[in-house]
Amino acid sequence: EAQVTQNPRYLITVTGKKLTVTCSQNMNHEYMSWYRQDPGLGLRQIYYSMNVEVTDKGDVPEGYKVSRKEKRNFPLILESPSPNQTSLYFCASSLVTGYGYTFGSGTRLTVV
Amino acid sequence: DAKTTQPPSMDCAEGRAANLPCNHSTISGNEYVYWYRQIHSQGPQYIIHGLKNNETNEMASLIITEDRKSSTLILPHATLRDTAVYYCIVRVEGRDDKIIFGKGTRLHILP
Repeated sequence: EAQVTQNPRYLITVTGKKLTVTCSQNMNHEYMSWYRQDPGLGLRQIYYSMNVEVTDKGDVPEGYKVSRKEKRNFPLILESPSPNQTSLYFCASSLVTGYGYTFGSGTRLTVV
Repeated sequence: DAKTTQPPSMDCAEGRAANLPCNHSTISGNEYVYWYRQIHSQGPQYIIHGLKNNETNEMASLIITEDRKSSTLILPHATLRDTAVYYCIVRVEGRDDKIIFGKGTRLHILP
């Protein structure tokens, strides 16, 4: 089944403890993106990648890192999480042209 | 800021056509209009997209005005399962930079 898989689905962590949210797609998509969703603010793009070893900042990149060493994986790294990074996170992927995004099921992160 | 404007909420009776408008008055010639929906806190789901011609698929129809400054998503026979937040975005095909989803339209399907 074609899908974008995020792990974990839920995570509670403490301020300053490094964490990684994984994202993997099995559709050979070139594009991958990370979004966060907060009440009243909609979906905001954090980082995106147009292919292996190509990444760029979205609208709200501060406090996040990403890497794209393989086409299928696009992990989101929080080196020193803070409470303002408590949010619902979505990973998405798409082909280069003519198609919409496929989104993962989301990761609900709470930083205390 | 989002490049699109949508009403914050709409109601539609079950079985009727739901028509969701979107304004994108500053759209560029190479930008496509995409529609997604999000049911509760699930991942958004792609619905349809188009450049300037009207498009139809198994989920919906997309009507884009001739000047491309606005569009309408049509769900022909709305069901309770179509209750969701609907997002209209513009995107240059082949690029992925700084796509902004905005706040969307919360569609309530009434039984």
